[in-house]
Amino acid sequence: GAVVSQHPSRVICKSGTSVKIECRSLDFQATTMFWYRQFPKQSLMLMATSNEGSKATYEQGVEKDKFLINHASLTLSTLTVTSAHPEDSSFYICSAGDGWDIQYFGAGTRLSVL
Amino acid sequence: SQQGEEDPQALSIQEGENATMNCSYKTSINNLQWYRQNSGRGLVHLILIRSNEREKHSGRLRVTLDTSKKSSSLLITASRAADTASYFCATDAGNDMRFGAGTRLTVKP
Repeated sequence: GAVVSQHPSRVICKSGTSVKIECRSLDFQATTMFWYRQFPKQSLMLMATSNEGSKATYEQGVEKDKFLINHASLTLSTLTVTSAHPEDSSFYICSAGDGWDIQYFGAGTRLSVL
Repeated sequence: SQQGEEDPQALSIQEGENATMNCSYKTSINNLQWYRQNSGRGLVHLILIRSNEREKHSGRLRVTLDTSKKSSSLLITASRAADTASYFCATDAGNDMRFGAGTRLTVKP
């Protein structure tokens, strides 16, 4: 089946640094990828829709300048958490659709900001 | 925003018993999907049911969909300890997916 690779799986960083998370579709092209955030014991929350070749669509309440999304190719979307702070610590997950309704999810990235 | 609501939030059963989880949503959908998430891991797709379908089976999983009530249920029969995980429903309304809060299932050996 289709595979989505997300990297890194875990990152620990100091407050004020920027962290880039990559999401790759390995055996299919994805014009649209989604980025989710999960707070402990809560459901996934859609952060933004990443569109290849155009600007991402952000959900209400998500800071565009804080969470930069780049979808430069049909197989890669990146999420950059800029000037990370402890409140940005969370589990981030990307997903991509293969064009047949099913979403394939990355393994997630656990971000811990000290 | 969150589309679905799931109940119960937590469910604890003995191995061999059946587990039923429910999901309700608010808007019209194209399909509804159930996912499983082991602690700290990514979501794994379990089953997709389209808006024109009423019931679907996959192994020990049975999913029903009632679009008039905007609800779905996931039944896991003959549960195993390895089924312990969080289960999420997700609604696909076309442009994005919305997840429910999830049900934490614990299957005791």
